[in-house]
Amino acid sequence: EVQLVQSGAEVKKPGESLKISCKGSGYSFTSYWIAWLRQMPEKGLEWMGIIYSGDSDTRYSPSFQGQVTISADKSITTAYLQWSSLKASDTAMYYCARRASHEEYYDYWGQGTLVTVSS
Amino acid sequence: EIVLTQSPGTLSLSLGERATLSCRASQSISSNYLAWYQQKAGQAPRLLMYGASSRAPGVPDRFSGSGSGTDFTLTISRLEPEDFAVYYCQQYVSSPTWTFGQGTKVEIK
Repeated sequence: EVQLVQSGAEVKKPGESLKISCKGSGYSFTSYWIAWLRQMPEKGLEWMGIIYSGDSDTRYSPSFQGQVTISADKSITTAYLQWSSLKASDTAMYYCARRASHEEYYDYWGQGTLVTVSS
Repeated sequence: EIVLTQSPGTLSLSLGERATLSCRASQSISSNYLAWYQQKAGQAPRLLMYGASSRAPGVPDRFSGSGSGTDFTLTISRLEPEDFAVYYCQQYVSSPTWTFGQGTKVEIK
């Protein structure tokens, strides 16, 4: 069974750093891209970026380039999303999702990680 | 960037009724590179349709997708209790940003 299991909710202060994770199982992790998506409170979905753990090829939405870093450790089938300095506006639910084999839609999703940034 | 506009914002219907959800694109979406997702409260999105009209594995056949170019539709033929949710369309023809619509909420009347 394909599963993406994300790390738990985080409460942070502005300026702090954070790294959240997404562990894949039940499939060949290095054969699929993993995307990260943001959903702000009561809002829709925004595509942030994507990584192919097979060779660490990473692409970012222009809106998120330079704001976050996406990485992966294929030895433990885990993808990461990290911030070096959080802002209150980063408060949102973050989802990882597996890109389908050949096209850019997402067939399996993590359960989400809620990040709250507040002083 | 392709902007997707979904309508209506909220659809209030009764069990057993037909739901018709619209997704309109600001530019033509070639090869019907459009997907639909269902998101229930407190849950992650779930893939329903891809390629505009292909159902994802496990999706009941009361869900159907249609359309081409700039106008796409998701139809739920007879609403079941578990269908009340928010539905999003997503285009995947225009990189580097794959955009989503703002969502249509299907609620019980």
